[in-house]
Amino acid sequence: DAKTTQPPSMDCAEGRAANLPCNHSTISGNEYVYWYRQIHSQGPQYIIHGLKNNETNEMASLIITEDRKSSTLILPHATLRDTAVYYCIVRVAGGNQGGKLIFGQGTELSVKP
Amino acid sequence: GAVVSQHPSWVICKSGTSVKIECRSLDFQATTMFWYRQFPKQSLMLMATSNEGSKATYEQGVEKDKFLINHASLTLSTLTVTSAHPEDSSFYICSAPLVAGELFFGEGSRLTVL
Repeated sequence: DAKTTQPPSMDCAEGRAANLPCNHSTISGNEYVYWYRQIHSQGPQYIIHGLKNNETNEMASLIITEDRKSSTLILPHATLRDTAVYYCIVRVAGGNQGGKLIFGQGTELSVKP
Repeated sequence: GAVVSQHPSWVICKSGTSVKIECRSLDFQATTMFWYRQFPKQSLMLMATSNEGSKATYEQGVEKDKFLINHASLTLSTLTVTSAHPEDSSFYICSAPLVAGELFFGEGSRLTVL
């Protein structure tokens, strides 16, 4: 699976949009971009994933560049409960790996009042 | 929604004893489950892939005799930390894929070895 690069930490004001970048310059054509987050002392929580089109769900939006070498997770109105470590992961969906995810260091997002 | 549950959520044991952690998929079947370990201030590290009806696949550097994995049914995988030592103290997390796109995680089990 391709490696990703994320800033180690970011701050965001409560109520503002949080934009979390991720670089995945060696991504392959069949690899998806996944985002998970982990609140302290809990298991990771799925947020969103995409292949090449932008995606939106009730939690966030995922913007993937046309060359697919980077992406941005957007939390449109960050709240204090969004404070967590956010992981960007690229992997092939399904297949023999059957869901295995390799985590990088992630971005620690601090939402401040 | 899909839920993966772990038990116990925390456990304290004496050095040299064995500890078993259970991972259950509550409303779906999982032929594959994954076990991760996480030390403080670090990311999750994949330990092994648990396969229903066959042997687990361990990542490089993970001792299979130390961390015994059994996937007895389509909804249950267990991780047994044998002869635990203080350096095995960690946060252990399991996960299971619901469909090809999503991987759901348990709440984690915090092991403290005295």
